[in-house]
Amino acid sequence: DQQVKQNSPSLSVQEGRISILNCDYTNSMFDYFLWYKKYPAEGPTFLISISSIKDKNEDGRFTVFLNKSAKHLSLHIVPSQPGDSAVYFCAATNYGGSQGNLIFGKGTKLSVKP
Amino acid sequence: GAVVSQHPSRVICKSGTSVKIECRSLDFQATTMFWYRQFPKQSLMLMATSNEGSKATYEQGVEKDKFLINHASLTLSTLTVTSAHPEDSSFYICSAGQRQGAYEQYFGPGTRLTVT
Repeated sequence: DQQVKQNSPSLSVQEGRISILNCDYTNSMFDYFLWYKKYPAEGPTFLISISSIKDKNEDGRFTVFLNKSAKHLSLHIVPSQPGDSAVYFCAATNYGGSQGNLIFGKGTKLSVKP
Repeated sequence: GAVVSQHPSRVICKSGTSVKIECRSLDFQATTMFWYRQFPKQSLMLMATSNEGSKATYEQGVEKDKFLINHASLTLSTLTVTSAHPEDSSFYICSAGQRQGAYEQYFGPGTRLTVT
């Protein structure tokens, strides 16, 4: 049973426009959510995170929105740049749980076209 | 800051041999390190949680005798794939947190293992 779901395996966006990546989760115990960016044959790079006590967190071009009632979060990238092309993983964790291990979605491959 | 390295980045070995992968936190002490495995077009699957000075905690379905984890110091964890088989071929990634229970984990660059 997948606890973190990214239902769109890929997304294509024009440079300068907004990219919206979505993530759904099923475990109501999750209290912290993270987005990672990954290039092929490299380890993931932390992008941005959000605690369950917030509904929005912004860092430069990246904004994460959390809707706890819908168990849904999204990552907005504005404006999108060709260098943003990568696979984006949504991850969740429960601070009160084990030891901070992350549960990942399957990822969404973002392609930003010039 | 928060740099994690892995060595080797790529390894090819013969079936039946053992391979050791090192994970190092270069500029911070990591009391907890994690080992993940990624299959093509799949999510990163947690294999085990490694705590410095104690035995690793393995996820269900991961054979502890096959994937030996040693967290000898606050900056080094090793994963040894013993008696490797072609189905062990995968991308192995480690991560470390800067403090116990840290949310943000910093990932190593990964190791591509190919077993022939």
